Amino acid sequence: SNELTQPPSVSVSPGQTISITCSGDKLGDKYAGWYQQKPGQSPVLVIFQNTRRPSGIPERFSGYNSGNTATLTISGTQHMDEADYYCQAWDSSIVVFGGGTKLTVL
Amino acid sequence: QVQLQESGPGLVKPSETLSLTCTVSGGSIRSYYWSWIRQPPGKGLEWLGYIFYTGGSNSNPSLKSRVTISEDTAKNQISLKLTSVTAADTAVYYCARVEFYGDFHFDLWGQGTLVTVSS
Repeated sequence: SNELTQPPSVSVSPGQTISITCSGDKLGDKYAGWYQQKPGQSPVLVIFQNTRRPSGIPERFSGYNSGNTATLTISGTQHMDEADYYCQAWDSSIVVFGGGTKLTVL
Repeated sequence: QVQLQESGPGLVKPSETLSLTCTVSGGSIRSYYWSWIRQPPGKGLEWLGYIFYTGGSNSNPSLKSRVTISEDTAKNQISLKLTSVTAADTAVYYCARVEFYGDFHFDLWGQGTLVTVSS
């Protein structure tokens, strides 16, 4: 199966660290990417190739992928980080997205 | 810088064909793969397919028989056709540029265009 599973929602207090998980069969054997989407906007790539940040993405965003789980971690979370986050992988020429996680910054 | 702009009818009747165009400005389509992705209102992202300018392409198995993605290098455009649409095809449709360096990710997205399927 190439389904990716994310928690529907997570919450965090400003300044704290939050991790969002993405689970899939042998996901660690593939590359994972992460996208941030704010209301009414297009998704923005924040992590690719498991751990790499595109130019312009703050250092507080980091990624890790091992086993069956990829993780996006936001350190020192800010109110501006409140958004939906989607994981994505590529396997056997097929692209799969996770269902998305709504991050609330309390 | 490179910009993507989706265009096409905002309303399509059930059973008809949805046709959208993505115009790429500021760069050539020849250098990258390109994808279409959609998002039903209030729901998550669904990948539809990709194309490379040489004609190599692939599409989501769940939609494969209905999806056609093509390119026009002279106009620097990518096109999407989705046949036999139903209300379930109502979504914001995005075109996106693919970076394909061992992995496959979308580094640039258009603003998206809402297509509603209704009679």
